[in-house]
Amino acid sequence: EADIYQTPRYLVIGTGKKITLECSQTMGHDKMYWYQQDPGMELHLIHYSYGVNSTEKGDLSSESTVSRIRTEHFPLTLESARPSHTSQYLCASSEFGTSGRAEGTQYFGPGTRLLVL
Amino acid sequence: TQLLEQSPQFLSIQEGENLTVYCNSSSVFSSLQWYRQEPGEGPVLLVTVVTGGEVKKLKRLTFQFGDARKDSSLHITAAQPGDTGLYLCAGAGSNAGGTSYGKLTFGQGTILTVHP
Repeated sequence: EADIYQTPRYLVIGTGKKITLECSQTMGHDKMYWYQQDPGMELHLIHYSYGVNSTEKGDLSSESTVSRIRTEHFPLTLESARPSHTSQYLCASSEFGTSGRAEGTQYFGPGTRLLVL
Repeated sequence: TQLLEQSPQFLSIQEGENLTVYCNSSSVFSSLQWYRQEPGEGPVLLVTVVTGGEVKKLKRLTFQFGDARKDSSLHITAAQPGDTGLYLCAGAGSNAGGTSYGKLTFGQGTILTVHP
């Protein structure tokens, strides 16, 4: 079982509020990711990080921002939430290897379901 | 841009039936993962396949990686209601040096419902 945690699990907030979704992993993984997913649909990568002080935007444009000050922590922030941000946000991590192919495996947290009214 | 086409998108079957889910791409992947996800939860890794032609079995689930590492299949024998969920395949890219970037390309998912 993967040791990756997300809080809160559920969040209902009003438009215009600033929110931070927390993600922590205890596996010492260098790589971390944030995905956005609507119910029963595919995952869309919105941010990723290859290590401390490394952050990149993903394939899906997002108004959120991320930071990676510590290896184990990868929070996602929305400065001003809008109803269009309503979705499930999934955090994941993986190892950074230099050989072989199994490094592609990602381990996911339980997700944060966000509802913006 | 790498794409993974997953089919079928929806599958509704009776308990005891067999089923196969497919993931196909024109791109080569360094590895391919299969995940199962329940509503309101994160995807849980079922298996990672790495070698072209590789077959892995997990109880009633059989996973195969295509010889050219462009496609994969998941076969479930004698499906049970507990198998109900969203099944996702995901391929990992790699650079010419063989080091995995780590980014995954996800298929659209297959929603499986197994009726008692």
